[in-house]
Amino acid sequence: ELKVEQNPLFLSMQEGKNYTIYCNYSTTSDRLYWYRQDPGKSLESLFVLLSNGAVKQEGRLMASLDTKARLSTLHITAAVHDLSATYFCAVDFSGAGSYQLTFGKGTKLSVIP
Amino acid sequence: GAGVSQSPSNKVTEKGKDVELRCDPISGHTALYWYRQRLGQGLEFLIYFQGNSAPDKSGLPSDRFSAERTGESVSTLTIQRTQQEDSAVYLCASSSSLGQGYEQYFGPGTRLTVT
Repeated sequence: ELKVEQNPLFLSMQEGKNYTIYCNYSTTSDRLYWYRQDPGKSLESLFVLLSNGAVKQEGRLMASLDTKARLSTLHITAAVHDLSATYFCAVDFSGAGSYQLTFGKGTKLSVIP
Repeated sequence: GAGVSQSPSNKVTEKGKDVELRCDPISGHTALYWYRQRLGQGLEFLIYFQGNSAPDKSGLPSDRFSAERTGESVSTLTIQRTQQEDSAVYLCASSSSLGQGYEQYFGPGTRLTVT
């Protein structure tokens, strides 16, 4: 079964703190995506990770991919209130060109001033 | 440039009625995807179109769901005889083979409520 599991599902953190969101997936893939969703809004692409060891950073967010461990992390550094949103990881398991994505349930992040 | 657009943004319908949802992908994007997002959940894949190839319908939950796409342009998702469990946000995405890793760009969604 193709599964993508995120943890935690809910995260409340204080401004200025660091934290990591984990994304585990069930079978081989080297295509993993992170998205952000604000309440009532659509998904905004954050990172595209396409190879083992890939690391990408944008502002206070850094994403990495370990394909051998089937694990991706989204690290938040010195959180600010504007980062409050739901974060989804999504994996392309297709391997055959359909590129459909399997999504995790999302991590709802609340940054408290 | 223009992003993915969807219409209507909200649709309320009575159980048993048919609904049609529309998606306009980014110009030049060959791939188009439909997903469903139930309240508080992640996205479920429904169907995928790539150019003139046969669509991948593996995610459609029942034969009440169907979708069409004309060439590399507009797509419509049709739900016949709607049920309350069809209530969700329906999201469309498009991607280009020229982009990195077939990154998918999402539209704003259509919120469907079946009463």
